[in-house]
Amino acid sequence: ELQLVESGGGLVQPGRSLRLSCVASGFNFEDYAMHWVRQAPGKGLEWVSGISWISDSIVYADSVKGRFTISRDNAKKSLYLQMNSLRAEDMALYFCAKGDTILIGNSFDIWGQGTMVTVSS
Amino acid sequence: SSELTQDPAVSVALGRTVRITCQGDSLRSYYASWYQQRPGQAPILVIYAKNNRPSGIPDRFSGSGSGNTASLTITGAQAEDEADYYCNSRDSSGNHVVFGGGTKLTVL
Repeated sequence: ELQLVESGGGLVQPGRSLRLSCVASGFNFEDYAMHWVRQAPGKGLEWVSGISWISDSIVYADSVKGRFTISRDNAKKSLYLQMNSLRAEDMALYFCAKGDTILIGNSFDIWGQGTMVTVSS
Repeated sequence: SSELTQDPAVSVALGRTVRITCQGDSLRSYYASWYQQRPGQAPILVIYAKNNRPSGIPDRFSGSGSGNTASLTITGAQAEDEADYYCNSRDSSGNHVVFGGGTKLTVL
């Protein structure tokens, strides 16, 4: 079964850091670009960041650039999101999503169930 | 604000056809993909590269596009199609991915 499982969410104070993880199974993780997408409570989807298959291309939404860092470990079939200087507006359900090619595109064919990040003092 | 614009809400009678649209300048250069999200669930890809359906997606779902507009059509809407639908594509620079604001589909 093709599956993505996120973890690492939780309650964090503004200005602090959090690291999200996503573990893949059921497909050749190293052959696909990966993404993080978030959804604030009651709001729409917002793309956060994407990384190509061998990490040679990395892009971020302007809203997180300079604060968030995406990375991957193909040997561990894992995707990460290091989130620093967290703000109230970063509070959301964070989804890990699989791209359909080695390069960063806009078709996300497998999604995890998400991990919730709450930013509050 | 999103560079892709969707109508916030659309309704359709059971068994009828409905079209959900997505507008944006970047659609003149890049294909749209479409996602279905039911309440409390993760999104599901229903159309990619303008008019391709992933395995397991019913053939009542189809995509099209012209100029700055992409469309998702559901022919013979079913009760289980009631959900939020999102389009996405590249932004105008081509460097980022952007989602539309989403359309809430109600099946009457």
